[in-house]
Amino acid sequence: DTGVSQNPRHKITKRGQNVTFRCDPISEHNRLYWYRQTLGQGPEFLTYFQNEAQLEKSRLLSDRFSAERPKGSFSTLEIQRTEQGDSAMYLCASSPQVTGSYEQYFGPGTRLTVT
Amino acid sequence: AQSVTQPDIHITVSEGASLELRCNYSYGATPYLFWYVQSPGQGLQLLLKYFSGDTLVQGIKGFEAEFKRSQSSFNLRKPSVHWSDAAEYFCAVGTRLTGGGNKLTFGTGTQLKVEL
Repeated sequence: DTGVSQNPRHKITKRGQNVTFRCDPISEHNRLYWYRQTLGQGPEFLTYFQNEAQLEKSRLLSDRFSAERPKGSFSTLEIQRTEQGDSAMYLCASSPQVTGSYEQYFGPGTRLTVT
Repeated sequence: AQSVTQPDIHITVSEGASLELRCNYSYGATPYLFWYVQSPGQGLQLLLKYFSGDTLVQGIKGFEAEFKRSQSSFNLRKPSVHWSDAAEYFCAVGTRLTGGGNKLTFGTGTQLKVEL
């Protein structure tokens, strides 16, 4: 168990550029979540996958945001035409599909700065 | 809709003193409740969780929390704080999603400072 990993850890981009982040969950965890955390706030839910199916999306996830999990393993989160308001920490979490297991295991996050 | 309130933005305690971090939640059904800790440059680490049963739950690093349904609270406690406990603490409530997943709604966090 190597934990949830996220890459890159930091990303600086100019407004209007596209960025993509990657999340590798704990192996055999079939549930995967994306959250966004802005300064001074708690994380906010963005989206949820069970295996390769995206089952839930928050209204926070505008049409500039897209997430995929093509083979039910790693996931990517893409932001198109970035805006300064997208600057935040993007957190990924995973959990197993086990009855009674509701906790999520978080990665270290990708900090995005849009200049 | 579910929500979590952590009324204390910053708390400072002396090393060795006791600690209580407050958390109030709003949720219609029996909640799944969590406390996470976040250190600079680190991801969120789960301290403890409550799903059902005994309302006093024990977690890692000597932390415990008590679920009080009548007060809609889930306060985190530690009898003796160590300097390494300085971090940001988040309370969260979980709600079920399609397929059995669990969406976490977090409070705004409490920043703990420990004075030596």
